[in-house]
Amino acid sequence: DGGITQSPKYLFRKEGQNVTLSCEQNLNHDAMYWYRQDPGQGLRLIYYSQIVNDFQKGDIAEGYSVSREKKESFPLTVTSAQKNPTAFYLCASSKTRATKSPLHFGNGTRLTVT
Amino acid sequence: GEDVEQSLFLSVREGDSSVINCTYTDSSSTYLYWYKQEPGAGLQLLTYIFSNMDMKQDQRLTVLLNKKDKHLSLRIADTQTGDSAIYFCALWGGGYQKVTFGTGTKLQVIP
Repeated sequence: DGGITQSPKYLFRKEGQNVTLSCEQNLNHDAMYWYRQDPGQGLRLIYYSQIVNDFQKGDIAEGYSVSREKKESFPLTVTSAQKNPTAFYLCASSKTRATKSPLHFGNGTRLTVT
Repeated sequence: GEDVEQSLFLSVREGDSSVINCTYTDSSSTYLYWYKQEPGAGLQLLTYIFSNMDMKQDQRLTVLLNKKDKHLSLRIADTQTGDSAIYFCALWGGGYQKVTFGTGTKLQVIP
């Protein structure tokens, strides 16, 4: 079955360390997205990518970085510059952004930084 | 930017209908979605409606769109305990190149 795989499900890090969250999709979707979810705040867009080797900042990109070297993969690095990194991170993909097709989500990674 | 508002909480009895509401500001929103999120999981696409439609029915789910009032609703008939979750409305804006999500409505179903 096609889908989006995020790993790991839970991640614990010490303050000051960079950490990379994995996102892989086998839906053959062109567009991929990273969202951050905090209680009572809905979802906020961190970065998105429309095609391989291209990505754009979303609303809260500061302290995060991404890469898109393969169509299937869109890893997110939470750097030590991110002031409040503890959150639930969701990766999503869609067929293309141009057609405004619906987003499909992975099961998320819960990051805790102490 | 687009604002999307939802009430935070809804409690219903098992077997009753649930109505979850969403209001938005961008009148040019073209594609409107409802997602369901169970605890600790990602978002599952439930249904969607295009802006040229007023209503869409899909088994127990009915979506109503009032473009004049910029109001979207999701009705769940015969609500079951398995429907307990957080429900998000989401919109592709006309002029914006991103999906905007509401804050989510937590539905509690009382047996």
